[in-house]
Amino acid sequence: ETGVTQSPTHLIKTRGQQVTLRCSSQSGHNTVSWYQQALGQGPQFIFQYYREEENGRGNFPPRFSGLQFPNYSSELNVNALELDDSALYLCASSTGLAGGLTDTQYFGPGTRLTVL
Amino acid sequence: AQSVTQPDIHITVSEGASLELRCNYSYGATPYLFWYVQSPGQGLQLLLKYFSGDTLVQGIKGFEAEFKRSQSSFNLRKPSVHWSDAAEYFCAVGAPGNNRKLIWGLGTSLAVNP
Repeated sequence: ETGVTQSPTHLIKTRGQQVTLRCSSQSGHNTVSWYQQALGQGPQFIFQYYREEENGRGNFPPRFSGLQFPNYSSELNVNALELDDSALYLCASSTGLAGGLTDTQYFGPGTRLTVL
Repeated sequence: AQSVTQPDIHITVSEGASLELRCNYSYGATPYLFWYVQSPGQGLQLLLKYFSGDTLVQGIKGFEAEFKRSQSSFNLRKPSVHWSDAAEYFCAVGAPGNNRKLIWGLGTSLAVNP
């Protein structure tokens, strides 16, 4: 059992709005990564947080931002939503010194975001 | 740049039959290699991973994968498929040293006939 939860399960927004997605990692997991998975695609790495600091970023614009909190929860914020932001957003937590790929990532079930 | 190709978008097998899902990667050296499974409404689950050493890797749920450097491949196999194996399977590649980013394939959807 992974113990990674995400909320909400589904969300509908309109273009131009802002959205906050939440993730609760397993206790002791000091690294969280966020991914965007468009329909029919594999996940794409958005960014990673380690001990509340951004620790790496994929090819996503600054309107995608995040926060990680001491209680192992985290947020993904997206401003100025665009239609192409419609996707499944996944968070994954892991433990380890610096969140390297040698640490197993445990994924949450995702939040399905629809932008109209 | 790294890339991952899963040539088969969709595969259908009969229950009890053997399975092989293909994965080819592009990378200048030996990358970190992963296979994940995604079932509807559930998060991605790691099946197995390869970093170095023995090129035949055993995973969970009876899956195994073999790293072939000469073919830049990391194919996933299972000798006898169960109906519960129906899901989406993703191959992913990571670069040692760039230890934050995974590059994912587009996935292979597996259907299992009774």
